[in-house]
Amino acid sequence: NAGVMQNPRHLVRRRGQEARLRCSPMKGHSHVYWYRQLPEEGLKFMVYLQKENIIDESGMPKERFSAEFPKEGPSILRIQQVVRGDSAAYFCASSPPGQGNFFMNTEAFFGQGTRLTVV
Amino acid sequence: DAKTTQPPSMDCAEGRAANLPCNHSTISGNEYVYWYRQIHSQGPQYIIHGLKNNETNEMASLIITEDRKSSTLILPHATLRDTAVYYCIVRVVHSGGSNYKLTFGKGTLLTVNP
Repeated sequence: NAGVMQNPRHLVRRRGQEARLRCSPMKGHSHVYWYRQLPEEGLKFMVYLQKENIIDESGMPKERFSAEFPKEGPSILRIQQVVRGDSAAYFCASSPPGQGNFFMNTEAFFGQGTRLTVV
Repeated sequence: DAKTTQPPSMDCAEGRAANLPCNHSTISGNEYVYWYRQIHSQGPQYIIHGLKNNETNEMASLIITEDRKSSTLILPHATLRDTAVYYCIVRVVHSGGSNYKLTFGKGTLLTVNP
């Protein structure tokens, strides 16, 4: 899963600051998925994006969180006015275009995650 | 997706087989059993999945009981690098739908000892 690049690996923010997490998908992949793993909890889906489009944001908190995947450049998960409860590991995965059966089989590649700590 | 139950932790000696159980007694006929693992400080990694039949790949074997209410992931020759949290997930797989909506529980922490 080294092909999906996330940065930074670790991010410390004070309460009220903004956090920007970046995800560069694997080469040739145009779909990006973000997941959050709270401390001592399991991974949960947040948002699914294709280039310049949000396809499914049903797992995103209603406020302060946004995601984008511009035509050029990485996907960005943005958290405004962070609070301590936002401290978590945020993982990104990517898939190639046209794979309707993605996540059915082997092609679920995740990045190494960004660990956000809010102090 | 059906609920799964896994032991919180297990130990295994290096070189021996690791057998990780998962109960999914409410599984329905169109739900698959998936296994992922997460090595410390890394992203989740797909291992194997199955519907009814036993499956084997280069990483592991998956044994699903005939009634499908439980399954076992087998790592035939565990190494220290197999120390990780292993997640069993039961889910419907849609040919064109939201297969990406993964939700993991707490899994089983497998510790492989030298």
